[in-house]
Amino acid sequence: SQELEQSPQSLIVQEGKNLTINCTSSKTLYGLYWYKQKYGEGLIFLMMLQKGGEEKSHEKITAKLDEKKQQSSLHITASQPSHAGIYLCGADRNDYKLSFGAGTTVTVRA
Amino acid sequence: DSGVTQTPKHLITATGQRVTLRCSPRSGDLSVYWYQQSLDQGLQFLIQYYNGEERAKGNILERFSAQQFPDLHSELNLSSLELGDSALYFCASSVGYRTSGSETQYFGPGTRLLVL
Repeated sequence: SQELEQSPQSLIVQEGKNLTINCTSSKTLYGLYWYKQKYGEGLIFLMMLQKGGEEKSHEKITAKLDEKKQQSSLHITASQPSHAGIYLCGADRNDYKLSFGAGTTVTVRA
Repeated sequence: DSGVTQTPKHLITATGQRVTLRCSPRSGDLSVYWYQQSLDQGLQFLIQYYNGEERAKGNILERFSAQQFPDLHSELNLSSLELGDSALYFCASSVGYRTSGSETQYFGPGTRLLVL
């Protein structure tokens, strides 16, 4: 969706290094979702953010939603090969569906 | 495992044919969503059903239709298939009440459709 921009499109990180993915919406979000997808497989739910300024963490992954609820970042600390995949952000604009960004492909090099 | 099941996993068919994709939502979920993922369009919402009724419609072609049955499983019917319909088709489910705000959608493993 052009209303939801993800950056970068892809990134390569050395194992053990940190990485950040950004997701920017042109409109205020009702909810923001992060999913991970292995190529050709289903989407795995990571986190959902709804409140402005909210931050959630699970294991080594932290997601934040800015105060204006238009931008979110996903940060992975000390990346591992298991973190490789495609990360997708999905926007809920209170119209029941999710609108997805184009995705960020993460490669972790040993 | 998200708890959402989809069959078949792979489907190969010819142009002009009709296929049916099946989805069983997580136990207790009343809403079912269908999405199409292709290389050029990304992940696009097609249609949503809630407790048997159509609730929201996205970029779904007239050649495509869906329904949700009393046992809450859903089927997506694709007819007069074209080469461009080749894609991954995902089903997702959620509780469907939206009483506490945004609801998480849990995705199935997808059906990969190849139209030759």
